Amino acid sequence: DQQVKQNSPSLSVQEGRISILNCDYTNSMFDYFLWYKKYPAEGPTFLISISSIKDKNEDGRFTVFLNKSAKHLSLHIVPSQPGDSAVYFCAAFDGGTSYGKLTFGQGTILTVHP
Amino acid sequence: EPEVTQTPSHQVTQMGQEVILRCVPISNHLYFYWYRQILGQKVEFLVSFYNNEISEKSEIFDDQFSVERPDGSNFTLKIRSTKLEDSAMYFCASSGQGLYEQYFGPGTRLTVT
Repeated sequence: DQQVKQNSPSLSVQEGRISILNCDYTNSMFDYFLWYKKYPAEGPTFLISISSIKDKNEDGRFTVFLNKSAKHLSLHIVPSQPGDSAVYFCAAFDGGTSYGKLTFGQGTILTVHP
Repeated sequence: EPEVTQTPSHQVTQMGQEVILRCVPISNHLYFYWYRQILGQKVEFLVSFYNNEISEKSEIFDDQFSVERPDGSNFTLKIRSTKLEDSAMYFCASSGQGLYEQYFGPGTRLTVT
């Protein structure tokens, strides 16, 4: 199932700089997108989401951008902090046919260096 | 802050045995889910549950799997006869009014030997 792809397995960023995590999808029926953060031995933690009717959503240091024509979304973290080091998953939801199924990408390991 | 809890954190079982994984969703949530993540692979949807019924299930969720909400607080996943390939992290999740903003528990690591 390659409907949601995160092509970068890892990203390394200096503290204080911007982290940009990317995600591509193929299913045009997806209408809601989410980002989750996951620390080792913990479950995914919901970070931020965006509806397909928007192109940007911001929450504090986290901003998600959606480009529907390119079927691409990205998560920007500014400024990055060492505590942001984790695995980041994007997930997508098809509200037209699904009763709760989130389709996840493979994840990107973010490391923020002090 | 309310959270989803799961027990046990780690379960080791022999092939062919039945296991029950337990979850306590967030108390005012209405929708409940199970996902799994095999080591090195994606998080995969198994099943969603609402109003005491399965709403949606994936092709992974075959006759060996079942879910139940035995009381007002617990949500369980049963695997009747475990296989080696069932070894994975199993995550329970719940959501409130919306189906998509799902809150996950810490997971149960199931090891089938």
